[in-house]
Amino acid sequence: KQEVTQIPAALSVPEGENLVLNCSFTDSAIYNLQWFRQDPGKGLTSLLLIQSSQREQTSGRLNASLDKSSGRSTLYIAASQPGDSATYLCAATSGAGSYQLTFGKGTKLSVIP
Amino acid sequence: DAGVIQSPRHEVTEMGQEVTLRCKPISGHNSLFWYRQTMMRGLELLIYFNNNVPIDDSGMPEDRFSAKMPNASFSTLKIQPSEPRDSAVYFCASSLQVNTEAFFGQGTRLTVV
Repeated sequence: KQEVTQIPAALSVPEGENLVLNCSFTDSAIYNLQWFRQDPGKGLTSLLLIQSSQREQTSGRLNASLDKSSGRSTLYIAASQPGDSATYLCAATSGAGSYQLTFGKGTKLSVIP
Repeated sequence: DAGVIQSPRHEVTEMGQEVTLRCKPISGHNSLFWYRQTMMRGLELLIYFNNNVPIDDSGMPEDRFSAKMPNASFSTLKIQPSEPRDSAVYFCASSLQVNTEAFFGQGTRLTVV
């Protein structure tokens, strides 16, 4: 059974700092890995999806990497802004049929002005 | 497209009452998911539909929970009778095909008193 872990649970950084959010998974037989952002009281917004055959994906100030062999993914945020404050969740797609999204508990990011 | 649309956004009901949550997936998406989010357990998959057919309902916690997808543009999640421990945020998500990028609705916050 796939398990996804995100450490730390919370992170506070000053504005302008580059930061890395971590995600680890136990079953390397994933189909893809997706990063989401969740604002308080809101739904999940898809940020990046990395296929298992890819090493990284970039979107603006965001860069996500995937290392299946070590069971890790990272989300790099460049030049953080207060508007980046949110909870970031990663989810691995795996299992028979590859439809099951298994989520981590998320990292709550606070960017301090 | 307006994205995945869920209604209602908030629902407060008394224990024992029937609750129906509704979801309109993104047009053209053939995969639909219902998830439940709680502080303790995070996001958990309840049921997955592909082309309107339930494929995996192993995450449905009890027989009190049921879900239907009568057509490609509408799905419901019903709880009857509701209990206080059902209080959570329920999300609907859809994707173009299985294991492609998943898009989430804004969620329904259910409170059972």
